[in-house]
Amino acid sequence: GNSVTQMEGPVTLSEEAFLTINCTYTATGYPSLFWYVQYPGEGLQLLLKATKADDKGSNKGFEATYRKETTSFHLEKGSVQVSDSAVYFCALSEVQGAQKLVFGQGTRLTINP
Amino acid sequence: DSGVTQTPKHLITATGQRVTLRCSPRSGDLSVYWYQQSLDQGLQFLIQYYNGEERAKGNILERFSAQQFPDLHSELNLSSLELGDSALYFCASSDHTRGEAQYFGPGTRLLVL
Repeated sequence: GNSVTQMEGPVTLSEEAFLTINCTYTATGYPSLFWYVQYPGEGLQLLLKATKADDKGSNKGFEATYRKETTSFHLEKGSVQVSDSAVYFCALSEVQGAQKLVFGQGTRLTINP
Repeated sequence: DSGVTQTPKHLITATGQRVTLRCSPRSGDLSVYWYQQSLDQGLQFLIQYYNGEERAKGNILERFSAQQFPDLHSELNLSSLELGDSALYFCASSDHTRGEAQYFGPGTRLLVL
């Protein structure tokens, strides 16, 4: 079946550091890929998405590129802020049928001032 | 604000009881998805409705059921509750276009004592 694997956390960085959170997937066909962010006590917010190979999703300084050849969708940000502290989830949406989301296990990110 | 609303925000109940969680999707969205978030299982898809009809089932227990009403709001019914049902329950909606993201509500935190 479809699956998503994220780098294990937690990840702790200093403010203005470069961020990478790795995400790889296993799926049939060409799923859509997403990054969601969950701040403490809140629901999941869509951060960015990509729907086909080589697409780059971007939002709020975060970027991720849909790499079909490596089945990856790594999240990057050039300079993190304390306000970026949250849990980040990589997810794929099935190509057909219900198009339910399959999530990775989440990566907790803490940014220290 | 995603436009998806969920009530109640918190629910505390006892084992063996029955509860109902409510979700109103974004305006115009016909698909509603229910997910469970727990520490040991992560984010798991439970069930999907599209325009009033059940479309797909995931890891949903037989004690759980859902429905979507003509005004498109949805309810998730959890019965014969057990301690292990304590979790965050999220509702998400989408317009079901291929590649379109799902937008999540703030969740209902259920605690079974």
